[in-house]
Amino acid sequence: QKEVEQNSGPLSVPEGAIASLNCTYSDRGSQSFFWYRQYSGKSPELIMFIYSNGDKEDGRFTAQLNKASQYVSLLIRDSQPSDSATYLCAVNGAGNMLTFGGGTRLMVKP
Amino acid sequence: DGGITQSPKYLFRKEGQNVTLSCEQNLNHDAMYWYRQDPGQGLRLIYYSQIVNDFQKGDIAEGYSVSREKKESFPLTVTSAQKNPTAFYLCASNTGQGVTDTQYFGPGTRLTVL
Repeated sequence: QKEVEQNSGPLSVPEGAIASLNCTYSDRGSQSFFWYRQYSGKSPELIMFIYSNGDKEDGRFTAQLNKASQYVSLLIRDSQPSDSATYLCAVNGAGNMLTFGGGTRLMVKP
Repeated sequence: DGGITQSPKYLFRKEGQNVTLSCEQNLNHDAMYWYRQDPGQGLRLIYYSQIVNDFQKGDIAEGYSVSREKKESFPLTVTSAQKNPTAFYLCASNTGQGVTDTQYFGPGTRLTVL
């Protein structure tokens, strides 16, 4: 059974701080990794994906991947109250199917 | 506008009823997916289809059925055999090619059993 684990939170950070969201996965054959943001009552929307070891930056967001440790993270710099949401980690494995973690709820306090 | 539409937004079902959730996309995507999300949980795959007239069971297919007669449409029927259908249902699609191919989601349907 492929597993994707996330701390459910809530993770509370003050406005302007860096929020660090973590995800571990069990399938060593996993090839690509996606971060989605989901506001309460809404559908997930893609933030970014990563498939190579190292860091990938997109605006205030940085995804970090370490395949040896089976660990992927998302950093949000200069966190804003509008970043308050649930962040879902998804892992693409065999058959090109996504397995989702349970999500981490982020709260950014003004 | 290109995108994925789901209807209805809210659906109420009585015990013993079958209900059908609609999902339509105009992105010319080959692959379509149905997920279920329970409160505070991640997404669980119900069914997926990678080509017209073909579909596969996901992790929690029992009590659900689908069809894929057109590339644009992938309706989901929640049957009376599904004992706990109250959940948020999400439809997604992608081209189905390449490991970085992103799945895009529709707005979802919230189903409540009365």
